[in-house]
Amino acid sequence: DIVMTQTPLSLSVTPGQPASISCKSSQSLLHSNGRTFLFWYLQKAGQSPQLLIYEVSNRFSGVPERFSGSGSGTDFTLKISRVEAEDVGVYYCMQSIQFPVTFGGGTKVEIK
Amino acid sequence: QVHLVESGGGVVQPGGSLRLSCAASGFNFSSSGMHWVRQAPGKGLQWVAFIRYDANNKYYADSVRGRFTISRDNSKNTLSLQMNNLRAEDTAVYYCSLVALHWGQGTLVIVSS
Repeated sequence: DIVMTQTPLSLSVTPGQPASISCKSSQSLLHSNGRTFLFWYLQKAGQSPQLLIYEVSNRFSGVPERFSGSGSGTDFTLKISRVEAEDVGVYYCMQSIQFPVTFGGGTKVEIK
Repeated sequence: QVHLVESGGGVVQPGGSLRLSCAASGFNFSSSGMHWVRQAPGKGLQWVAFIRYDANNKYYADSVRGRFTISRDNSKNTLSLQMNNLRAEDTAVYYCSLVALHWGQGTLVIVSS
C-alpha cells in the first residue's frame, strides 16, 4: 500500500498569513499516462470533505485562488497564500494511482 | 449540479448486516466510477471500496474484503454497499463519492451490542 505522510499535524495561523502543508508518498504518484494522482481536501467541522486540488495543482471549481498545489513524484505541497477564518478545518491529501486508495493522516488548521 | 445522498445507516449488533445506498443525480452516473469512504469518530478518512462505471471491476480495502460488497444500479442511479458480519471497528460515517471529486453528506453506522 502507498503510505501518505502529512506534516505538520496541526497549524495555527494568523489571518492574512500564509500556510503550507506537506504530503509525501511512499511511492511515485506519476502514472504512465503522465498524470499524477494526488488530491487535496478540506473537511470543515461537521461537514463532508470538499475537494480543493486535483492532480497536484488543479484548483477545483469554486476553490479560491489563495489555494495552490505543487510537487511531483512523491513530494507535494498545499499552500494557502493568505489564510482566512473560513479555511479552518482538517486538510487531507489522497492518492488514487493504485488501490487501495490511501489518505494522509490530516493536518488541522486553526486560526490564532 | 452533482448531488449524492447516502442512506441506510443505523445501529446494528456485531455480526449483523446493513445495506447502505447512495442516490446520485446531476451527472452521468452510468459513466462514472464511485467510491465508498468512511470516517470513524474523531479519526481520519479511510477508503472502503470502488466500483467502475460498468461494475466490471470492484476493489476493496483489506479490512472489509469478504464482508462488504459494493454494487450499483445504473438504471436507478444508485450505488450500494452491503455490509455483513459487522464489527465494532466498522463504526463510522460512510460517504459515497464520485471518483473522489464530489462527496455526499454521509450516513452513520454504529456497530454495538
